[in-house]
Amino acid sequence: DQQVKQNSPSLSVQEGRISILNCDYTNSMFDYFLWYKKYPAEGPTFLISISSIKDKNEDGRFTVFLNKSAKHLSLHIVPSQPGDSAVYFCAASEGGGSNYKLTFGKGTLLTVNP
Amino acid sequence: ETGVTQSPTHLIKTRGQQVTLRCSSQSGHNTVSWYQQALGQGPQFIFQYYREEENGRGNFPPRFSGLQFPNYSSELNVNALELDDSALYLCASSVGSGLGGNEQFFGPGTRLTVL
Repeated sequence: DQQVKQNSPSLSVQEGRISILNCDYTNSMFDYFLWYKKYPAEGPTFLISISSIKDKNEDGRFTVFLNKSAKHLSLHIVPSQPGDSAVYFCAASEGGGSNYKLTFGKGTLLTVNP
Repeated sequence: ETGVTQSPTHLIKTRGQQVTLRCSSQSGHNTVSWYQQALGQGPQFIFQYYREEENGRGNFPPRFSGLQFPNYSSELNVNALELDDSALYLCASSVGSGLGGNEQFFGPGTRLTVL
């Protein structure tokens, strides 16, 4: 039973436009959420996170939105750049902050076309 | 500052064999977590070591075991390999454990193929 779901295996956007990656979760005990980016032959790289006490966190071009009642979060990238092309994983943690057991989704492959 | 390193990069084993994967944590980090990423899946938590003690375990059988050394490097051992153990094994290091700890930094992984 997947507790973190990324229902879009892939997403293609034009350079300069907004990329929106979505993630749903089923475990109401999750209280910390993260996004990781992964290039081929590299490990996942931390991108941005959000605690369940917030509904938005912004870092440069990246913004994460959390809707607890819908158990849904999204990552917005504006403007998208070709270097953003990678697999994006949504991850969640239960009671352990960012450092404990992370439950990952299957990932979404983002392609940003020049 | 040296990042997380893992060895070997790739290896091939046959069913029933045993394997040891190694991870050197980032400088200053005292926590290591191991994840298994099967093809087309997200990483799945195996276990975490904090200051040489196991600090939580995912849904993996006992034939998956680990160690953390005084220098905070770590090993993942898998006995009696099965075909389904073929995956990318990721190591992540961080400072502290639980609330107050920082984000996990991942190594490039070890690609294990079981024939």
